[in-house]
Amino acid sequence: EVQLVESGGGLVQPGGSLRLSCAASGFTFSSYWMSWVRQAPGKGLEWVANIKQDGSEKYYVDSVKGRFTISRDNAKNSLYLQMNSLRAEDTAVYYCARARNPPWCFDYWGQGTLVTVSS
Amino acid sequence: QSALTQPPSASGSPGQSVTISCTGTSSDVGGYNYVSWYQQHPGKAPKLMIYEVSKRPSGVPDRFSGSKSGNTASLTVSGLQAEDEADYYCSSYAGSNNFVFGTGTKVTVL
Repeated sequence: EVQLVESGGGLVQPGGSLRLSCAASGFTFSSYWMSWVRQAPGKGLEWVANIKQDGSEKYYVDSVKGRFTISRDNAKNSLYLQMNSLRAEDTAVYYCARARNPPWCFDYWGQGTLVTVSS
Repeated sequence: QSALTQPPSASGSPGQSVTISCTGTSSDVGGYNYVSWYQQHPGKAPKLMIYEVSKRPSGVPDRFSGSKSGNTASLTVSGLQAEDEADYYCSSYAGSNNFVFGTGTKVTVL
């Protein structure tokens, strides 16, 4: 059974940093692209970042470029999101998702971890 | 990248059908056959319901179907059931390994 479990969310002040983790199990982690998708409270989904199987390619939504870094450790079956210079508008539930590229969709999702940016 | 446009709400009685539209541009929905749909119940993670415009993952009932014409994709839920009440989001590949989601539609089973 595919499982994705996020951790690392919490309350952080504007300008602060946070590192999210996602532990994967039930599939060959190193064979899949992985993604982060976020959802602000009461709002819709927003794709945040993607990383290739070997970590050689990384892509970001414009609003987080230069502030967020996606990474992975295939030996630990883990995905990460380093978030720096956090802003109030980054407040959201962050989901880890397995990506199938192609056909460019997200076929399994974690339960999410809440990040709140507030003073 | 702007969000794809979906109607805020849709509804139908049990057993009826409801269709949700998802309108983008030639740079996303119209440019690729990589539209997917996700179901999200309150407080839960999204679940993939349709990928590549019209394909269903294993385990998704055939009551769910997808289609596309030009820059607009659609999700139809036939034979509505109480458990289909949820938020639905479309998503499209937008080139250069970028993705865009729709604004979301709340489906109510009357």
